[in-house]
Amino acid sequence: AQSVTQLDSQVPVFEEAPVELRCNYSSSVSVYLFWYVQYPNQGLQLLLKYLSGSTLVKSINGFEAEFNKSQTSFHLRKPSVHISDTAEYFCAVSDIWGSSASKIIFGSGTRLSIRP
Amino acid sequence: NAGVTQTPKFQVLKTGQSMTLQCAQDMNHNSMYWYRQDPGMGLRLIYYSASEGTTDKGEVPNGYNVSRLNKREFSLRLESAAPSQTSVYFCASSEQSEQYFGPGTRLTVT
Repeated sequence: AQSVTQLDSQVPVFEEAPVELRCNYSSSVSVYLFWYVQYPNQGLQLLLKYLSGSTLVKSINGFEAEFNKSQTSFHLRKPSVHISDTAEYFCAVSDIWGSSASKIIFGSGTRLSIRP
Repeated sequence: NAGVTQTPKFQVLKTGQSMTLQCAQDMNHNSMYWYRQDPGMGLRLIYYSASEGTTDKGEVPNGYNVSRLNKREFSLRLESAAPSQTSVYFCASSEQSEQYFGPGTRLTVT
């Protein structure tokens, strides 16, 4: 069975400071990894994903995450955050696509709050 | 393209009442899902449907039933609502790895 652990439930940072949101997973098989973002009173949106290839993946708004197989981690980073990044961030894992549905397991979420 | 739509947006029920949450997607996806989101617990899978005509239990199916009416629509039914079912419910659809989420239904059971 797979599981995802997000080590921090809340991360407060100042605007323009760097941030890292930590995510560790466990699985007995190869996995896909995701970061989803949820802005207040909205559904989840995919931020970035690792399927294969380069272990460093990037989003269009400056976030990046690195798949580290030996440490079973997929931490999310941004070198300089903006007020608009205030949201809850969910790390997620699924089996390598091969069955008819991708059952994704979500972490408990990290609330990122940006202070001016 | 509306993506994934859910109705209603908000609902208040009394214990023991029943209701159906509706979900529809216009992306021609085969797979659809129902999750509940509770504070500090992330999203937990209630039921999913890999394709039209099939449904399977997820992590927390007790107290719920689902119907995959056609390829577009996947409904979630609470036959006898309980306060423990107070939550935000999200529907999602996918084709391969990425899931697309609806805006959610906030349900309160008193």
